[in-house]
Amino acid sequence: NAGVTQTPKFRVLKTGQSMTLLCAQDMNHEYMYWYRQDPGMGLRLIHYSVGEGTTAKGEVPDGYNVSRLKKQNFLLGLESAAPSQTSVYFCASSLRHSSRYEQYFGPGTRLTVT
Amino acid sequence: DAKTTQPNSMESNEEEPVHLPCNHSTISGTDYIHWYRQLPSQGPEYVIHGLTSNVNNRMASLAIAEDRKSSTLILHRATLRDAAVYYCIRSGSARQLTFGSGTQLTVLP
Repeated sequence: NAGVTQTPKFRVLKTGQSMTLLCAQDMNHEYMYWYRQDPGMGLRLIHYSVGEGTTAKGEVPDGYNVSRLKKQNFLLGLESAAPSQTSVYFCASSLRHSSRYEQYFGPGTRLTVT
Repeated sequence: DAKTTQPNSMESNEEEPVHLPCNHSTISGTDYIHWYRQLPSQGPEYVIHGLTSNVNNRMASLAIAEDRKSSTLILHRATLRDAAVYYCIRSGSARQLTFGSGTQLTVLP
């Protein structure tokens, strides 16, 4: 049981390049989330999903797209990276509604956009 | 707006209890109170959550005021490994949790 895993762990992009971050969970959780964390700040929700095939916007969705084609995977895409997207990205999952169930977090992906 | 108020930082001595306060004066009757912590260079980790009654688990205790406008996370015996940022989060009807800036706990040997 690996929990929540994220790929890759580190990435450096040039402005305008695109990339996809992969999040996988093996706990059969319904809900999945993508957060970003800038230095010295708390986490901010980018997008989330309440089930396979569904996605919704969070607090800071601009510049990102997501897909949840399989229940266990949640992909975060950057179509045209900008330096403002330099951050640490965390994926999380929960069995169901976060107000009742704990979220499990992955180890993070450190992204630098130059 | 699911806002909570926490001190920016606190210090504790190793092997002593730690009481981390959180104010949530506008909480509604159905909002749960969650605590997560984030160790350096790691993702957040669930600590505890509750609604009205005090809660205990292997990591900590959560004491919720009778009027529910505040709560306290209690670490019974702090260790160096407990040094982290602790987030108090009030969950509402939204399907997600909103993280604030948390309390940086320093544990002194």
